[in-house]
Amino acid sequence: QQQVKQSPQSLIVQKGGISIINCAYENTAFDYFPWYQQFPGKGPALLIAIRPDVSEKKEGRFTISFNKSAKQFSLHIMDSQPGDSATYFCAASKGTPLVFGKGTRLSVIA
Amino acid sequence: DAGVIQSPRHEVTEMGQEVTLRCKPISGHNSLFWYRQTMMRGLELLIYFNNNVPIDDSGMPEDRFSAKMPNASFSTLKIQPSEPRDSAVYFCASSLGANPQVYEQYFGPGTRLTVT
Repeated sequence: QQQVKQSPQSLIVQKGGISIINCAYENTAFDYFPWYQQFPGKGPALLIAIRPDVSEKKEGRFTISFNKSAKQFSLHIMDSQPGDSATYFCAASKGTPLVFGKGTRLSVIA
Repeated sequence: DAGVIQSPRHEVTEMGQEVTLRCKPISGHNSLFWYRQTMMRGLELLIYFNNNVPIDDSGMPEDRFSAKMPNASFSTLKIQPSEPRDSAVYFCASSLGANPQVYEQYFGPGTRLTVT
């Protein structure tokens, strides 16, 4: 049973464009929703996270939008750059452990 | 700080052989996590330790998998006997505490295991 569904599997965006990755969760008890970024040959690293008491969180070019009623959250990358090319994982948790989505491979092309 | 250290970085073995993956967490971190990453299933938690004690091993796929943490600076994940379906990238992560809302998890570079 997959508790966090992530889409799309892969995404190609032009440099300067907006990248959008979506996640949906099933467990309404989840109260923490992080996004991780993974470069080839490296482990995932925490990028940004949100709690369900807010609908949006922005850090630089990265924004999480959260819709509690729809049980969905998304990552927006504004002004996407080739250096943003990586695999992005959404996750959710209620305490421990983290439950991860399957990942989205983002390619930003010039 | 060197971060989480994993060894080996790559392992190729034949079906039926024993495989041991090693992890050195960040000094001072009290929680250690073992994850497995595959294309089909994504990133899955196998087991985690708090203060060297296994807390949740519900993600360990079967009895062929075992994990130990004999001290605060070392953990192993053992597969015996290995099977081709065990081929994956195995990550170790550590954090100051187990709750990810409070304590960020830091991942190692992973061990890519190929079982032929």
